[in-house]
Amino acid sequence: SQQGEEDPQALSIQEGENATMNCSYKTSINNLQWYRQNSGRGLVHLILIRSNEREKHSGRLRVTLDTSKKSSSLLITASRAADTASYFCATSGAGSYQLTFGKGTKLSVIP
Amino acid sequence: EAGVAQSPRYKIIEKRQSVAFWCNPISGHATLYWYQQILGQGPKLLIQFQNNGVVDDSQLPKDRFSAERLKGVDSTLKIQPAKLEDSAVYLCASSLDYSLYEQYFGPGTRLTVT
Repeated sequence: SQQGEEDPQALSIQEGENATMNCSYKTSINNLQWYRQNSGRGLVHLILIRSNEREKHSGRLRVTLDTSKKSSSLLITASRAADTASYFCATSGAGSYQLTFGKGTKLSVIP
Repeated sequence: EAGVAQSPRYKIIEKRQSVAFWCNPISGHATLYWYQQILGQGPKLLIQFQNNGVVDDSQLPKDRFSAERLKGVDSTLKIQPAKLEDSAVYLCASSLDYSLYEQYFGPGTRLTVT
């Protein structure tokens, strides 16, 4: 079964706007990672946030983690057409190093 | 540095036939993973190797799927016999170690079973 559930399933925005994707999970985690997948570059790791962290930044990406609500969000600021892709959250559970992926959010950035 | 290499990129077979996929991880990466990604879903872990030993194969359908990692480097994943529901992209990934490190994915092999 898949641990993370992304929301929304699909998102369409104009270039320059911000995009926010959410991920909810069910059991305790060691860390949560976000990956991007597009046809050109395959599945690429974006950012990792550990269970004792609340927020992390990487370039135009901002990830938050709320372990009390078992949820995370990924914010992409000033989106570009090249950000068009599917975004997956993946969790690593307590006591396990296995990554469990959600179904993903499909982001379309319109030029 | 060179990324994770996979071959073939595409494969079409008929049901009940067998197929094999090959993966060459990033040099120096001890951990290798095989995932199955069905259209519209996220990747699902099939098997995880640490060097040439199996760490986790709990989601591998062992009646038809097998995998090996000889000498702790390259790996092959085999399906025999294939079923229609095996149609998916098979992704190989590697990481420096199994503990919390990011995973680097190959381009995948798209398998179509007819």
